[in-house]
Amino acid sequence: DIQMTQSPSSLSASVGDRVTITCRTSQSSSNYLNWYQQKPGKAPKLLIYAASSLQSGVPSRFSGSGSGTDFTLTISSLQPEDFATYYCQQSYRTPDTFGQGTKLEIK
Amino acid sequence: QVTLKESGPVLVKPTETLTLTCTVSGFSLSNTRMGVSWIRQPPGKALEWLAHILSNDEKSYSTSLKSRLTISKDTSKSQVVLTMTNMDPADTATYYCARILSYCSSSSCYYYFDYWGQGTLVTVSS
Repeated sequence: DIQMTQSPSSLSASVGDRVTITCRTSQSSSNYLNWYQQKPGKAPKLLIYAASSLQSGVPSRFSGSGSGTDFTLTISSLQPEDFATYYCQQSYRTPDTFGQGTKLEIK
Repeated sequence: QVTLKESGPVLVKPTETLTLTCTVSGFSLSNTRMGVSWIRQPPGKALEWLAHILSNDEKSYSTSLKSRLTISKDTSKSQVVLTMTNMDPADTATYYCARILSYCSSSSCYYYFDYWGQGTLVTVSS
């Protein structure tokens, strides 16, 4: 199975900050990497697919980059509604695997 | 409007078999670009992918849980069913079903979970 490592596990930031979350895969995942946002008590929401493609309806302050084993999710200017947990997921090889999550908290 | 809704027991006893149903609307399980996955999340923990079934009935399972899982679908009823045998308290989690959407560029086909159900919390306890 492809193992996923997200960093940091948690992050404190302020509204307006630029934030970057990293996801590393244990073997190349090409660009088959997706990002999700999850708020407490809610189902995850797709933000980015194929490493850098923005899902319809997702604000443009979210962006993704990377290929191979190293990927990043960037939020250019944090908004109050962005405080949540973020997960990466690889779909390069089954079984699919998720990262352990990055909890983004208000400073 | 695409929706997925999980249903099943909220409480199961250790060693019992769990059966969950995902009822979908707004798309067909026979659509070649789509499938359904089951994903779970223990309280306070990360997401864990369990299984998927595609339009051509191709199935795939979590490596660690493969011996305990069975996924199937009834296209006419728009339902995907997941069974998990020999339930344990460690299987206490919110279970989600999610739609798999396949997107193909000029060179590659990608897939991702674009719609999710609300989730159903299953507690394993005697």
